[in-house]
Amino acid sequence: QKEVEQNSGPLSVPEGAIASLNCTYSDRGSQSFFWYRQYSGKSPELIMFIYSNGDKEDGRFTAQLNKASQYVSLLIRDSQPSDSATYLCAVRGGSARQLTFGSGTQLTVLP
Amino acid sequence: DVKVTQSSRYLVKRTGEKVFLECVQDMDHENMFWYRQDPGLGLRLIYFSYDVKMKEKGDIPEGYSVSREKKERFSLILESASTNQTSMYLCASSTNNRAEAFFGQGTRLTVV
Repeated sequence: QKEVEQNSGPLSVPEGAIASLNCTYSDRGSQSFFWYRQYSGKSPELIMFIYSNGDKEDGRFTAQLNKASQYVSLLIRDSQPSDSATYLCAVRGGSARQLTFGSGTQLTVLP
Repeated sequence: DVKVTQSSRYLVKRTGEKVFLECVQDMDHENMFWYRQDPGLGLRLIYFSYDVKMKEKGDIPEGYSVSREKKERFSLILESASTNQTSMYLCASSTNNRAEAFFGQGTRLTVV
């Protein structure tokens, strides 16, 4: 069983809609959770991080964390074609220095 | 802004060659990482280092070694390149205080 699981997609949403990206993780001791965006041919860039249960909002992005369910999600409101990318979920375990990544969800926002 | 710089954007090497991939970060980060990324497999950790001259194996260290002689520089070495090492290689760094990793631009290595 992979430690960090994401639906690979592809996920398609129309412009202006809400895109919902989901991630589950297996290590109950995980402390830190991250969402990266990766455009084709480019390296991942950090867009959100969350450490505590609940919601964290930053502009059009909302990260949601539920440690009891071992679930983290990313909502993108008012999706734009420029949001089309692969979104990577990453988790850091309790005492680890490194991040473990999911395999990513490919999002396409249709004009 | 954090800057992580990888020495090459694209590399083509022959089977059996010794290959060096270099990575430099300018933010005094303690931790540095090498990942490879392949379609459908996501990012997989090869090696990481949490201090000068210190290294830890990641999930897929076979066929690779690393060197960290200075805090800002982390090198990945393919001792004898093979075609199954054709991949995108990503270097990243982070601090102990903040866990998020910052990535270099990536090196697309092709072994022929």
